[in-house]
Order: sequence, then C-alpha cells, then structure tokens
Amino acid sequence: DAKTTQPTSMDCAEGRAANLPCNHSTISGNEYVYWYRQIHSQGPQYIIHGLKNNETNEMASLIITEDRKSSTLILPHATLRDTAVYYCIVRVAGDSGGGADGLTFGKGTHLIIQP
Amino acid sequence: NAGVTQTPKFRILKIGQSMTLQCTQDMNHNYMYWYRQDPGMGLKLIYYSVGAGITDKGEVPNGYNVSRSTTEDFPLRLELAAPSQTSVYFCASRTNFYEQYFGPGTRLTVT
Repeated sequence: DAKTTQPTSMDCAEGRAANLPCNHSTISGNEYVYWYRQIHSQGPQYIIHGLKNNETNEMASLIITEDRKSSTLILPHATLRDTAVYYCIVRVAGDSGGGADGLTFGKGTHLIIQP
Repeated sequence: NAGVTQTPKFRILKIGQSMTLQCTQDMNHNYMYWYRQDPGMGLKLIYYSVGAGITDKGEVPNGYNVSRSTTEDFPLRLELAAPSQTSVYFCASRTNFYEQYFGPGTRLTVT
C-alpha cells in the first residue's frame, strides 16, 4: 500500500469549510484514496473514497489532483461534532490478491472545530 | 440493522488470564476484521476473515486466536493475557468493495 502523509493537527472555525490535505506520491494506478474519521473513543467511520475523479457525498467532498499524488477532503460546513481524527488511506479496492486484507491506519490529522 | 456489535465494552484482566472478545454483524458481510489501537496510535490489524471457516493473520497476531464458524460472528480469543495487550480492540466488517464498518470497541486493561 502507498504511504500517506497528513498534518498532525488542524483547526477550523465552526461553519467554515475544513480542508484536510493528504500526500500519497507513491500511489499506484489501481489504488483508491479512502477517508475515515474517528471521533474520540468511537470506532472509525467511513467518509468517502475515490480513484481519480472528484467525489461528493452527504458528508464530504474528495478532491484528487490530476497526477493523483495528493488529495483534499473537504467538510463544507464544519460543526463541533466534526472534531475527530481523520485518516487518509490508500488501498486497492476489493480483494488484495494476497497479503493481509485490512486497512493501514497512520496517525491521521486531528481536526479541531472551534466554536 | 444493529451493524457491528462488540461485547464487553470494558474489561480488566489479570496477567495470565484468558478471555474472548465477541463481535457480531448483521449485514451479511463476508469480510471481518480485528484491529487493536494503542493510545495515540492508528489501528493495527490482528486477524481477518474472508468468510465462514477462513481466517488469516494480520500485522500483529501473536497472543491472539480467532475462529469464524458463522458469517455473523468473529470472536477474538486472548490466551495468557499480558500487559502489552492493554489496548482498545475494534471489530469491523466490509462490503465486497472496501467500505469497512466498525464496532464501538472493547477497552481492555491487563494488570
């Protein structure tokens, strides 16, 4: 799996858009970008994923650069409940074809929404 | 749907004791996983299963065992608990694509 780099922490004002960057310069052509978040003491929660096109769902938008070496997760109107650790994960979809079939979580970005 | 449920929520074990962490999902997912999360760290994969009767080791399997007799249940067994196994344990299941659904976790302390 490609390695990802994320800032350790970020602040954002409530009601503003939160933009969380992720670098994945060694991503392969068949690897997707996934975002999960973990609110304190809870299990991680899936947010969104994409391959090369920008994606949007009810929670967030995912912007992937044309060269796919970086991406940005956008929470359009952050609320206090969005305070969490956000994980950017790069992984092939479905069966890995060998090796451990799980997600590799780094330390993520601790996003703090300020009132 | 209840999703992924885990029991117990909290447990304190003495060194050398054994226990089973229970995990059940009601989404008919074939793939199930056990992760552990140490303080301030990301999750690490312990074991996973691609279907009933099939299990395999992840990154940190030592000291643990699993079984998968049904699609719904994926228990994690700790034999001879050690302080290094103090952690929060998460069970997860996934669809055929790659969205994983996580349980609420079991917080285990070994003293």
